[in-house]
Amino acid sequence: DAKTTQPPSMDCAEGRAANLPCNHSTISGNEYVYWYRQIHSQGPQYIIHGLKNNETNEMASLIITEDRKSSTLILPHATLRDTAVYYCIVRKSSNTGKLIFGQGTTLQVKP
Amino acid sequence: EAQVTQNPRYLITVTGKKLTVTCSQNMNHEYMSWYRQDPGLGLRQIYYSMNVEVTDKGDVPEGYKVSRKEKRNFPLILESPSPNQTSLYFCASSRGQVDIQYFGAGTRLSVL
Repeated sequence: DAKTTQPPSMDCAEGRAANLPCNHSTISGNEYVYWYRQIHSQGPQYIIHGLKNNETNEMASLIITEDRKSSTLILPHATLRDTAVYYCIVRKSSNTGKLIFGQGTTLQVKP
Repeated sequence: EAQVTQNPRYLITVTGKKLTVTCSQNMNHEYMSWYRQDPGLGLRQIYYSMNVEVTDKGDVPEGYKVSRKEKRNFPLILESPSPNQTSLYFCASSRGQVDIQYFGAGTRLSVL
């Protein structure tokens, strides 16, 4: 599975959009980009995933560049409850099921 | 409500005293997995199971056992716990091995 690079930490003002970048320059054609988050030692929570096209659900939007070497997770209106560690994971379409969590980005949403 | 349930949530034990951490899911998922999380090392997979009676080692299986006798349950067994198994443990399940994984709330284990 391809390696990902994320900034270690980011701040965001409450009510503003949080844009979390992820670099995955070695991604291959059959690898998906997944985003999970972990709120203070709770179990990781699935947010969104995509292959090529941009995706949106009730939690967030995922923007994947055309060359697929990077992506951005967008939380449109961040709240204090969105403070968490966000993990960008690149995953093959067929593997053992293992999720490889890197160090992630700690997002601090401030009032 | 769809969920993955782990018990206990917190456990303090002593070296060598066998223990079992239970994991149960109510989503009829085929795939289940155990991870441990340690500071600076992220989450690492211990064991996984593709279906009933099918289990396999993850990245850090030493000192652990699992079983999958029923689809809903995937207990993690520490036959002789040691202090280096002090960690935060998560169970996860998904419909198949490449589907979205849902995680339990975690079990914080301390081995003295």
